[in-house]
Amino acid sequence: AQSVTQPDIHITVSEGASLELRCNYSYGATPYLFWYVQSPGQGLQLLLKYFSGDTLVQGIKGFEAEFKRSQSSFNLRKPSVHWSDAAEYFCAVLYSGGGADGLTFGKGTHLIIQP
Amino acid sequence: DTGVSQNPRHKITKRGQNVTFRCDPISEHNRLYWYRQTLGQGPEFLTYFQNEAQLEKSRLLSDRFSAERPKGSFSTLEIQRTEQGDSAMYLCASSFFGGANNEQFFGPGTRLTVL
Repeated sequence: AQSVTQPDIHITVSEGASLELRCNYSYGATPYLFWYVQSPGQGLQLLLKYFSGDTLVQGIKGFEAEFKRSQSSFNLRKPSVHWSDAAEYFCAVLYSGGGADGLTFGKGTHLIIQP
Repeated sequence: DTGVSQNPRHKITKRGQNVTFRCDPISEHNRLYWYRQTLGQGPEFLTYFQNEAQLEKSRLLSDRFSAERPKGSFSTLEIQRTEQGDSAMYLCASSFFGGANNEQFFGPGTRLTVL
C-alpha cells in the first residue's frame, strides 16, 4: 500500500527566507504526486503536481517541487516566503491504476512565518 | 462556476443521532470523492463515485456510513448512530476523469462535532 511521510510537523521560517518542505512516498510504481496547501477555514488548494516528464515542476504562488525517484522524494521549495504562506501543507500521492483512485495524504507540515 | 460547495459548513450533534452532508461538485466533473480529516492529520480517502456509480470504498467507511450520488451530480454522505470518534472535517472533492489530468478540486468541508 502506498504511504506518504512528511517528517516535519512544524517548520518556522523568517519572512524572506527560503523554504523546503520534505515529502517521501512509498509506492511500487511511479506515482502521481501533489502538494496542497490548507489555510484555516479554507479548502485544500493545489499548489503543483507531477505526473511525468520534467522532474522539476513549477506551481502557483512561486512554489516548485522536485521529483527524485532514487530518493522517493518530492520536496517543496520556495526561494523567499511571505507572511501569507503561513498554512498547513500536505503532500499526496495518487495510485494511478488498478484500484482506489483516492489521494493518500501525508500528515502535513505546519508552516509558521516569523516577521 | 463557483467551485465545489458543501453544506452545512458546521454540524453539532449528539451521540447516536444521524447526520447527512451534501456536496455539490463542479458541474462538468464526473468524479466525486469523500475524505475525512481529523485534527492534526491529513485527509483520508473514504469513497468515490464516477457519475452515479460508487466505485471504491475505503475500509474506513464503516457500515454506519453511506454515500449516494443518485443522478451523478450532487452527493450525500450519511452517518448513522454517530459516535464521538466521528468528529472530523468531511471533505468533498471533484474531478474530470478522462482529461489530461485528474486534478481533484476540494470543497471547504463540513466540520462535524459529536457531543
